[in-house]
Amino acid sequence: QQPVQSPQAVILREGEDAVINCSSSKALYSVHWYRQKHGEAPIFLMILLKGGEQKGHDKISASFNEKKQQSSLYLTASQLSYSGTYFCGTDSGGSYIPTFGRGTSLIVHP
Amino acid sequence: EAGVAQSPRYKIIEKRQSVAFWCNPISGHATLYWYQQILGQGPKLLIQFQNNGVVDDSQLPKDRFSAERLKGVDSTLKIQPAKLEDSAVYLCASSLGSPLHFGNGTRLTVT
Repeated sequence: QQPVQSPQAVILREGEDAVINCSSSKALYSVHWYRQKHGEAPIFLMILLKGGEQKGHDKISASFNEKKQQSSLYLTASQLSYSGTYFCGTDSGGSYIPTFGRGTSLIVHP
Repeated sequence: EAGVAQSPRYKIIEKRQSVAFWCNPISGHATLYWYQQILGQGPKLLIQFQNNGVVDDSQLPKDRFSAERLKGVDSTLKIQPAKLEDSAVYLCASSLGSPLHFGNGTRLTVT
């Protein structure tokens, strides 16, 4: 079953912060985050595993609340290069193959 | 490391015609996936191969879609006959487990 992402779209100015949420109606083994720029391949950002953890690199981090079956992606001090569509993918069977949500469009203005 | 290669980049066909897409995964990646991405939506898994065997094709419309992965390397996805609702970007991905590495996709327009 497809996870639900919110918001559908975010418009920011450089330097502002954003949070993208992902929720599932099923228990989750893992949550995957990808970013896709227009006309390009989705690029892997990070994976969070069952056990409730937080991960991050540079100014992009994510959390995974296993009990609530939710994950959030945090973008801090956004840069122009952060623009794109962010997809969360959830895995409920332990296969590590994600079922993707509909995506959140992020636009960062100068 | 060379990425996942896909061709053609774009294809326009009329409904009821047939079309084929080609994918060359990252060298050494045993698992290959085909995803369909309709405009405004997330990628949807169509089929997963492990080497040259099918692991999951539960979401592949088998009356019109077929895929093969001969010799466990390159793969071809075919649609015959195409329908208007098949208009989408077809993404190929490969992996050694996780994460998935995607190609740039083939944008198919069915008129």
